Amino acid sequence: DAKTTQPNSMESNEEEPVHLPCNHSTISGTDYIHWYRQLPSQGPEYVIHGLTSNVNNRMASLAIAEDRKSSTLILHRATLRDAAVYYCILRDGNYNQGGKLIFGQGTELSVKP
Amino acid sequence: EAGVAQSPRYKIIEKRQSVAFWCNPISGHATLYWYQQILGQGPKLLIQFQNNGVVDDSQLPKDRFSAERLKGVDSTLKIQPAKLEDSAVYLCASLPAYTGELFFGEGSRLTVL
Repeated sequence: DAKTTQPNSMESNEEEPVHLPCNHSTISGTDYIHWYRQLPSQGPEYVIHGLTSNVNNRMASLAIAEDRKSSTLILHRATLRDAAVYYCILRDGNYNQGGKLIFGQGTELSVKP
Repeated sequence: EAGVAQSPRYKIIEKRQSVAFWCNPISGHATLYWYQQILGQGPKLLIQFQNNGVVDDSQLPKDRFSAERLKGVDSTLKIQPAKLEDSAVYLCASLPAYTGELFFGEGSRLTVL
């Protein structure tokens, strides 16, 4: 399984943008880049995913490098409720087999008021 | 839409006892996963079902862990006998066919004394 590298922790101020980096130098052509987050005492929840192009949704934006060896999750205005562990995961695009998610350590984001 | 339901939320047992966790995925979701999350670590995949068949159980400690998904709907995960190192949160997730988003339950927290 392809691996990702993320910083262990990051800090942000409330209402400021947050850029969470992820390196995945061994990504293959069929790997999708997924981001999940886990709030305290809850199961992980889906944030966003993409293949090659940048993606936006109501929660966040995903910026993918042209060579796909790195990506950045962007929270446009951090709130206290965004404090969580954020996981960057490479996932095989073979959805017919229910492509599994292999979690790493993630980045623990703290948000200061 | 109802989410992934898990029970019990908390369980405390002594080592060498047995325990079972139950998961009811979102209706219509064909793929079901069980993950183990030890404190401070990312979730680790234990087993993956597609309908009522096992797709991947390579990380399941089969000498003490077992799982089944009768009729391709709800699933149970059993540990017998439990060891101290089994203390963790057991997360269930389900995946609808042909989309990339996994839906996780809140987890079952096991403490083995």
